[in-house]
Amino acid sequence: DAKTTQPNSMESNEEEPVHLPCNHSTISGTDYIHWYRQLPSQGPEYVIHGLTSNVNNRMASLAIAEDRKSSTLILHRATLRDAAVYYCILSNTGTASKLTFGTGTRLQVTL
Amino acid sequence: GAVVSQHPSWVICKSGTSVKIECRSLDFQATTMFWYRQFPKQSLMLMATSNEGSKATYEQGVEKDKFLINHASLTLSTLTVTSAHPEDSSFYICSAKRGGNEQFFGPGTRLTVL
Repeated sequence: DAKTTQPNSMESNEEEPVHLPCNHSTISGTDYIHWYRQLPSQGPEYVIHGLTSNVNNRMASLAIAEDRKSSTLILHRATLRDAAVYYCILSNTGTASKLTFGTGTRLQVTL
Repeated sequence: GAVVSQHPSWVICKSGTSVKIECRSLDFQATTMFWYRQFPKQSLMLMATSNEGSKATYEQGVEKDKFLINHASLTLSTLTVTSAHPEDSSFYICSAKRGGNEQFFGPGTRLTVL
């Protein structure tokens, strides 16, 4: 499976935008970029995914580099409820869409 | 939509007993379900992939005779931890797919084996 690299932790102030980076230099042409987040003692929650173009939904935006070797999850206005571990994962239908979770980025949001 | 439930949410059992965990997709039919395990302060580890009506595919290093998976319908998969021991204590999480790319995760089941 292609690997992703994320910072271990990041901090943000409430109401400010947060940019969570992810490097995936060995991404293949059929790999989708997925983002999930996990709040303490809960199952992960789907955030967003994309293939080549930038994507927006009600939770976040996903900016994908032109060469697809990196991407950034953007939370437009962080709230305390966004404090979680964010996972950037590559997956393709050829592997039955299995998700291989790395260590993720622990996001802390402060007042 | 796309809600996945797990039952029980937590369970404590004695060493040597078996424990069954249920995973249900409440408002959709799941083409595929996955089972994960998460130890404290670690990431999720995929244990197995199951499709309705067929045998589960286990990841390397996961004992299929110890972690029995049954996927009897498009909305229910069960994981049975047989002859549980303290080292099996963990947070077990299931997820389900309904045909798209995203997986919908259950809230998890915390297993403590005494």
